[in-house]
This record gives sequence, C-alpha cells and structure tokens, in this order.
Amino acid sequence: AQKITQTQPGMFVQEKEAVTLDCTYDTSDPSYGLFWYKQPSSGEMIFLIYQGSYDQQNATEGRYSLNFQKARKSANLVISASQLGDSAMYFCAMREGRNTPLVFGKGTRLSVIA
Amino acid sequence: DGGITQSPKYLFRKEGQNVTLSCEQNLNHDAMYWYRQDPGQGLRLIYYSQIVNDFQKGDIAEGYSVSREKKESFPLTVTSAQKNPTAFYLCASSTPLATESENTIYFGEGSWLTVV
Repeated sequence: AQKITQTQPGMFVQEKEAVTLDCTYDTSDPSYGLFWYKQPSSGEMIFLIYQGSYDQQNATEGRYSLNFQKARKSANLVISASQLGDSAMYFCAMREGRNTPLVFGKGTRLSVIA
Repeated sequence: DGGITQSPKYLFRKEGQNVTLSCEQNLNHDAMYWYRQDPGQGLRLIYYSQIVNDFQKGDIAEGYSVSREKKESFPLTVTSAQKNPTAFYLCASSTPLATESENTIYFGEGSWLTVV
C-alpha cells in the first residue's frame, strides 16, 4: 500500500504568491516523522522542513511551513512569497521510528511564473 | 567540509558489466541508504545499513549489492542482473541524535548511470 501520496503532479504559481503542495500519508505507527525535500534540476535533494508526529505546533522554516493535520493524515507544504528559484520538484517523505529509511511520494513539480 | 560525497557523477556502462558507485560520508552517521530515481518519479529504496557490517534489502534490491565495511563508506554495485539500470542514484545518511528534528536524512549529489 502506498504510504505517501502526492496528488499534484505539477503546479504553477505566480511569483510572490503563496502555494500549497499536498501530501497525505498512511501509517499505524504512533511515532513517525514527516519531511519535505526540494530537488532542483541539478538533482540534489535539499531538506526543507520536518514535522514530528508528537509535535503540537506546525513546523516553520523561513518561507516554508508545514500544515500538519494529524487526524486527516495530511502534511501539506506551504511556500509563501514564491520566488523563481523555488521552481523544482518537491517530495514529501515519511519515516517510522528512528534511523529507518524514508518512504517518498512521487513528487510535485512546481513552476514559478514571473 | 562535512557531507556526503558520491562518485562518479556520470557513469556509462555497457550491458553485461558490473559497475560500482561510491558513497563516502564524514558526518559520523551510523545509517546509510541507497535510493534509485527514475525520470519524473519518486525515490525508491535499494539497500540500507544501520550499522557497520550489516545491511538490509529495500524495495528494489534485485540486481544490486552493497557492503558496509567502514562506517563512512557504503558502495553500491549495479550488477549485470539488473535489467534496467539506467537511473539517477542517490546515497544518504542519518544518525539517531537526541532530537527528532536532528534525525534528518542528508543526501549526496547523486550519480547518473546510463547503460549504452
């Protein structure tokens, strides 16, 4: 069964606007972590933001925030004030427990338009 | 600088040949991982190792082999048994530190393998 689902293969956003990238997950483990990574065309995976299953507040890192809705098993990434350099693939991922592999969604390609 | 180094960046392989992709980290991380990425797709786990001299198969281990003789090194061999090896390969590492947020997985810059 697919554990991470990203339903938006591609998204467009106007420069300086906010955009939300969707991610839903499936797990029966009460302890898990949710991650978002950015992959530019160069191929490197850049860590953006982390949310733990026991965290009470939504994670934020600069222009990135994670809209964590535990009951709905949703962990959407919100990018505020989009920039042209935000154009990339974005991957949602989950790990259950510590030091275990990440399971990735299929990604969303974000294109920022000037 | 601390980080994960993958080499080579680009590799061409003839059909029937084995090739080895190198992954070295100086982050003192315990766990290391290999992922495969096909164009327009997500990452799929090939193998991972949580400790030296031990490793586990991931979802797509067939046609691949690994070793973990040193903490800092986790080479991946793509064997001739791998029927469709052309892909982008990413190595990663992590360590179970005190805080969950520090338990992030960090990636190398990847290796592009093409079968010719």
